[in-house]
Amino acid sequence: QLQLQESGPGLVKPSETLSLTCTVSGGSISSSSYYWGWIRQPPGKGLEWIGSIYYSGSTYYNPSLKSRVTISVDTSKNQFSLKLSSVTAADTAVYYCARRPVVTAAFDIWGQGTMVTVSS
Amino acid sequence: DIVMTQTPLSSPVTLGQPASISCRSSQSLVHSDGNTYLSWLQQRPGQPPRLLIYKISNRFSGVPDRFSGSGAGTDFTLKISRVEAEDVGVYYCMQATQFPPLFGQGTKLEIK
Repeated sequence: QLQLQESGPGLVKPSETLSLTCTVSGGSISSSSYYWGWIRQPPGKGLEWIGSIYYSGSTYYNPSLKSRVTISVDTSKNQFSLKLSSVTAADTAVYYCARRPVVTAAFDIWGQGTMVTVSS
Repeated sequence: DIVMTQTPLSSPVTLGQPASISCRSSQSLVHSDGNTYLSWLQQRPGQPPRLLIYKISNRFSGVPDRFSGSGAGTDFTLKISRVEAEDVGVYYCMQATQFPPLFGQGTKLEIK
């Protein structure tokens, strides 16, 4: 059964770079059938798509965050990663990684999420 | 930019009674490939979102058949035929037809 697990620091200082990794288990990230994405949710608020990556390395970013976001994939480790630079308190959120099949375009498998707080 | 609007934002429902949530997009969600990439997700308290419905009306694996989706173009509906206690949470629609993918603001389902 496919599982996704986010990992990374729970506290990041303002102006620094947030770095998270999503480890995929129970299946291969190197499948042409899926995109792999990051979604975030500020406390008490809704969901925001951050960006997605294909196993080939092709990336797609939310225009509202594009200048600060980098998503990469490491197929040898079955992982993909998120970097968000120049963070502020507005970036405090639960960050989820998720799988999105090409044919359905719906996020069908989600990680449990990791809370990241931006504070000095 | 496309706008996704869900109504109501809060829905108190009696156990065993039906519930309905509407999702309206500001532009058609029919893709050039003929598909409509509108999905519904459920988020129970303290849990990650869970996919219920994809491409308007297709139930995801393991989703009870009391959940159903319908609609076309710009207007979509999620229906729960008989609400159970475990259905409490926030429901989101999401469009992936147009870039970027976008979630509705969420509808909180609670028990009366």
